[in-house]
Amino acid sequence: DQQVKQNSPSLSVQEGRISILNCDYTNSMFDYFLWYKKYPAEGPTFLISISSIKDKNEDGRFTVFLNKSAKHLSLHIVPSQPGDSAVYFCAASIGGYSTLTFGKGTMLLVSP
Amino acid sequence: DTAVSQTPKYLVTQMGNDKSIKCEQNLGHDTMYWYKQDSKKFLKIMFSYNNKELIINETVPNRFSPKSPDKAHLNLHINSLELGDSAVYFCASSQQGSETQYFGPGTRLLVL
Repeated sequence: DQQVKQNSPSLSVQEGRISILNCDYTNSMFDYFLWYKKYPAEGPTFLISISSIKDKNEDGRFTVFLNKSAKHLSLHIVPSQPGDSAVYFCAASIGGYSTLTFGKGTMLLVSP
Repeated sequence: DTAVSQTPKYLVTQMGNDKSIKCEQNLGHDTMYWYKQDSKKFLKIMFSYNNKELIINETVPNRFSPKSPDKAHLNLHINSLELGDSAVYFCASSQQGSETQYFGPGTRLLVL
């Protein structure tokens, strides 16, 4: 059973526009959420995270929004750049347990 | 300076063989992990070690045996390799108390 779901396998966006990547989860025990970015033939790289006590966290062009009642989070990238083209993984954990449960990933393609 | 490194990067071997994958981190972290990314692209936790002690062992065949000689290293030995073991194996590390994990570049294992 998938506890973390990324229902869009791919997303195409034009350079300069906003990219919105979505993630849903089913386990209400999750209290920490992370986004990782992965280029081909490389390991996932940490991007941004959010604790369940917040509903928004921002870091430069990247903002993560958390809607606990809907068990939904999203990653906004503004403005999108061609270098953002990668697979984005949503991950969740239960505080103090440290194991990450990953979604299947969304491939983002930003075209010039 | 590579923070989390894995060797080898690629591994092609025959069914029934025994092989090892090595992982080293120079981040000073005390917790290390092995993840498997299968053909469906899911990243799943296999093992977690904290200060050389096994703390998480998900449902993994006992043909897989992790070994942590010290806090900076977590190796994965696989006996009697099977076709279904073909996957990308990622090592990761984190500091206890932090949810953020840092990943190695992955080892692409192909069992023929």
